[in-house]
Amino acid sequence: NAGVTQTPKFQVLKTGQSMTLQCAQDMNHEYMSWYRQDPGMGLRLIHYSVGAGITDQGEVPNGYNVSRSTTEDFPLRLLSAAPSQTSVYFCASSMAPYNEQFFGPGTRLTVL
Amino acid sequence: AQKITQTQPGMFVQEKEAVTLDCTYDTSDPSYGLFWYKQPSSGEMIFLIYQGSYDQQNATEGRYSLNFQKARKSANLVISASQLGDSAMYFCAMREDGTGNQFYFGTGTSLTVIP
Repeated sequence: NAGVTQTPKFQVLKTGQSMTLQCAQDMNHEYMSWYRQDPGMGLRLIHYSVGAGITDQGEVPNGYNVSRSTTEDFPLRLLSAAPSQTSVYFCASSMAPYNEQFFGPGTRLTVL
Repeated sequence: AQKITQTQPGMFVQEKEAVTLDCTYDTSDPSYGLFWYKQPSSGEMIFLIYQGSYDQQNATEGRYSLNFQKARKSANLVISASQLGDSAMYFCAMREDGTGNQFYFGTGTSLTVIP
């Protein structure tokens, strides 16, 4: 039981490049979400999903795309990276929205 | 307006003493949930405690308790008998049921336990 896994742990991109942050969970959780954490701002919700095939926008969705084709996986795509997207990204999952969320270890992304 | 406000950027507490970390929230949704998470310097997020808006009693989990004052919209975390390992960032969070289960986090409080 690996919990929530994220890859990569670290990534450096150049402005305009695209990439996908991977997130997977093996707990059969329906609810998954992506957050970014910036200094002094806490965590902000980017996108979330309440089940396979269902996604919705959070507080700061611009510049990011998600899809949920399986219960286990919830990748986050940056279509054209910008320096403002430099942050630590956390993926989380829970059995339901009102349950505790289990967080992945995070991905530290730097956009030059 | 901020959904979650944590007004204490940094707190110090003597080992073995109790400490209260403040959290106020703003919502018009009658159904919501409040969470506290701990983030040690290693970076992972650790769930501590949960309180539902309809729960009649304050939540407790071991040395953690949540002082829920609904009318004042506050959800303070109380840590009893502080330990050195409690030194970390602490985040208060809220889920609003009526807005599609959006989650909001506060900016956090850095707690340092002094031996």
